Amino acid sequence: SAVISQKPSRDICQRGTSLTIQCQVDSQVTMMFWYRQQPGQSLTLIATANQGSEATYESGFVIDKFPISRPNLTFSTLTVSNMSPEDSSIYLCSVDGSHAALYNEQFFGPGTRLTVL
Amino acid sequence: QKEVEQDPGPLSVPEGAIVSLNCTYSNSAFQYFMWYRQYSRKGPELLMYTYSSGNKEDGRFTAQVDKSSKYISLFIRDSQPSDSATYLCAMSGDAGGTSYGKLTFGQGTILTVHP
Repeated sequence: SAVISQKPSRDICQRGTSLTIQCQVDSQVTMMFWYRQQPGQSLTLIATANQGSEATYESGFVIDKFPISRPNLTFSTLTVSNMSPEDSSIYLCSVDGSHAALYNEQFFGPGTRLTVL
Repeated sequence: QKEVEQDPGPLSVPEGAIVSLNCTYSNSAFQYFMWYRQYSRKGPELLMYTYSSGNKEDGRFTAQVDKSSKYISLFIRDSQPSDSATYLCAMSGDAGGTSYGKLTFGQGTILTVHP
């Protein structure tokens, strides 16, 4: 499985500011995914990021609030814009099982724990 | 109604017990079924991965899928304190479908195995 790192691991931010989260993979992968895990809740898919194309957002998530970049096959960023306390959550990136392009066999990074005051 | 329902627990068992974790789902397009384990303050770790109906065994872990009942299970035999974690079921659809590659998760079951 791929080794995935995320930066920062945690942050405390002020309302109205923005935070960019980085996801780095140790091998080339086709698909990268961004999830949100709110306190005591399960994971919810925010968007799918494919290299060289615009990210695809799930219902309830918009590009203006969560812009995503995917400049190459090992890296992606998620920005949480104009933050409010409701954005306090763990943000996780995941990648597909690239050996066989098994998009359903996803491996997760350690997450970024965000607190918005 | 959520697409995937999972008993949130918490579940507390003695060491050596057999643990049964379950999820039900409503979307008949789901074909891929996964179980993830998530330790506190860590990302989810893929435990088991199955396609369509049937059983799959890996060491102390057995995953069962019953598509006719829209019901999946994870059994842990000889449970250990190191199994204490949150267990999440996840599902997605087949290639060509709208849910392919998009994992829908259950709420997670918190398991504690005490010595």
